[in-house]
Amino acid sequence: DAGVIQSPRHEVTEMGQEVTLRCKPISGHDYLFWYRQTMMRGLELLIYFNNNVPIDDSGMPEDRFSAKMPNASFSTLKIQPSEPRDSAVYFCATGLPGAGELFFGEGSRLTVL
Amino acid sequence: KQEVTQIPAALSVPEGENLVLNCSFTDSAIYNLQWFRQDPGKGLTSLLLIQSSQREQTSGRLNASLDKSSGRSTLYIAASQPGDSATYLCAPYTGTASKLTFGTGTRLQVTL
Repeated sequence: DAGVIQSPRHEVTEMGQEVTLRCKPISGHDYLFWYRQTMMRGLELLIYFNNNVPIDDSGMPEDRFSAKMPNASFSTLKIQPSEPRDSAVYFCATGLPGAGELFFGEGSRLTVL
Repeated sequence: KQEVTQIPAALSVPEGENLVLNCSFTDSAIYNLQWFRQDPGKGLTSLLLIQSSQREQTSGRLNASLDKSSGRSTLYIAASQPGDSATYLCAPYTGTASKLTFGTGTRLQVTL
């Protein structure tokens, strides 16, 4: 397995534009997590799925953020409209945190001008 | 809400030194604690998992200790090497899938 694959790796967009980040998780893992990392706030959990169902989205900052997992091999995080304060690195991860098995993608670096 | 603090925020040491990274957390009702490594521009990689019933866990030159009651963990790196240069994050786990709280990390640089 190639690990967790995220795209795009880098995205630069203008305020107000829609941004879609994509994640292909490791097969066989039931949990999928979206995190956001900034210098000020560190790594924050946005939302997680279990068997493609969103379980906890309390970390999603605003209604401008939405996430979907239409099947076990694909998830998206969408920001519409984007704002400069959304600039961050967004990580997708799969596995079981409680078992010490959490595998991260390399992240999508978003810059909103 | 779990608060996780890592000290120091940054550290620079010459190659060969032994060093200690500190992690403190406010909610001691944890199941386990993990230490992660993050290289620049990369995702996190798990280094060590220490269960709440354990005092120490070792992997190669890395040794993690846990004092659950006082809300502290340390990561000891022996004989540091330039390849150890990275950011190290601790993450206590309090029992549900969402309750893995990350510290802000210690950025380590090991110089030749």
